[in-house]
Amino acid sequence: GDSVTQMEGPVTLSEEAFLTINCTYTATGYPSLFWYVQYPGEGLQLLLKATKADDKGSNKGFEATYRKETTSFHLEKGSVQVSDSAVYFCALSPTGNQFYFGTGTSLTVIP
Amino acid sequence: DTAVSQTPKYLVTQMGNDKSIKCEQNLGHDTMYWYKQDSKKFLKIMFSYNNKELIINETVPNRFSPKSPDKAHLNLHINSLELGDSAVYFCASSQGWGTGNQPQHFGDGTRLSIL
Repeated sequence: GDSVTQMEGPVTLSEEAFLTINCTYTATGYPSLFWYVQYPGEGLQLLLKATKADDKGSNKGFEATYRKETTSFHLEKGSVQVSDSAVYFCALSPTGNQFYFGTGTSLTVIP
Repeated sequence: DTAVSQTPKYLVTQMGNDKSIKCEQNLGHDTMYWYKQDSKKFLKIMFSYNNKELIINETVPNRFSPKSPDKAHLNLHINSLELGDSAVYFCASSQGWGTGNQPQHFGDGTRLSIL
């Protein structure tokens, strides 16, 4: 069945470090892929998305490229800030509007 | 202007009680969802409604009953609350059904604690 496998956390980085959170997926057809961010005490917010192979989603300095050949959608940011501390979820939407979320990766950025 | 709003934000109650959580969205979406997030942040879909019709009904105890009076509202009623029901419950909405590329918009969650 359709699923998302996400890098386990927690991840702790120093400010201005490079961030990669790995996400791979299993799906039939051509799903849309998403990254969501959840700040403490809040709901999930859409961070970026890509709807077809080779698309790059980007927002707030974060990027992820839809790689069909490796079935991956890794999240990257060149220089993290303390304010980026949150839980990040990779998600897959194959058909309909059903979403499959990864288990979440907690990121803590220390000054 | 809150897009997806849930009430209450916090709910503390005793085992065996019945409680409801309300959700409203002002985005004009026609699909709404309920998710349960456990203490490890794992998100599990519970229900989804499209145009007031139930389209996703995952394996959830029948003590949980969703109700959608109109496209903008999806409420969740829980009977005979148990300790294992303690979690954060999120409402979400999205536009359409079948396209697969519409993001979901989430409320801030209802933190349910069972004593």
